[in-house]
Amino acid sequence: DAGVTQSPTHLIKTRGQHVTLRCSPISGHKSVSWYQQVLGQGPQFIFQYYEKEERGRGNFPDRFSARQFPNYSSELNVNALLLGDSALYLCASSLRQNSGANVLTFGAGSRLTVL
Amino acid sequence: GESVGLHLPTLSVQEGDNSIINCAYSNSASDYFIWYKQESGKGPQFIIDIRSNMDKRQGQRVTVLLNKTVKHLSLQIAATQPGDSAVYFCAVDSGGYNKLIFGAGTRLAVHP
Repeated sequence: DAGVTQSPTHLIKTRGQHVTLRCSPISGHKSVSWYQQVLGQGPQFIFQYYEKEERGRGNFPDRFSARQFPNYSSELNVNALLLGDSALYLCASSLRQNSGANVLTFGAGSRLTVL
Repeated sequence: GESVGLHLPTLSVQEGDNSIINCAYSNSASDYFIWYKQESGKGPQFIIDIRSNMDKRQGQRVTVLLNKTVKHLSLQIAATQPGDSAVYFCAVDSGGYNKLIFGAGTRLAVHP
């Protein structure tokens, strides 16, 4: 069975540009969450989507946005990139909306470098 | 808000020894705690979880201990193997929406 798949795996952008990252959840999973992992730190929650609606948002600026499609795949968009946006962006899927005995399965991530 | 911290950024052990990785959390209302393992170039992988109404849970070669009095969580790995080398994160459920609060991670290095 395919796990959580993310694309692209690596990308390089320059300051001010825009980036779109994509995620396909495990088949049957309806919830997708996005996390940012800066080098040397733990992942930090950005968004959660369930049934195409935003259900949770972390402490990130409005430059970050996301959406979920009818097939439950998701996109994370970041506008006006800053050097500090350089990180590994992780997507995780789960069966249900709420955590608690609801294991998040992570993809391998998209590594973004902003120059 | 909730914060999660680990006591040691790195831990070096001999193959076959037992490993103990520690974690502290701040919110006494936290209900659900998870340990993840992250190998180089991969996303975090679920290891084991525990609810706040338990103080111990065992898996295959791993045990998680929860001390709610001092808000401390530990992961014990028995007979540590080279394949256990990775960064280990504890994460705390912050109250829904799959919003986990992660610690900074402990890098476990296993030497032959």
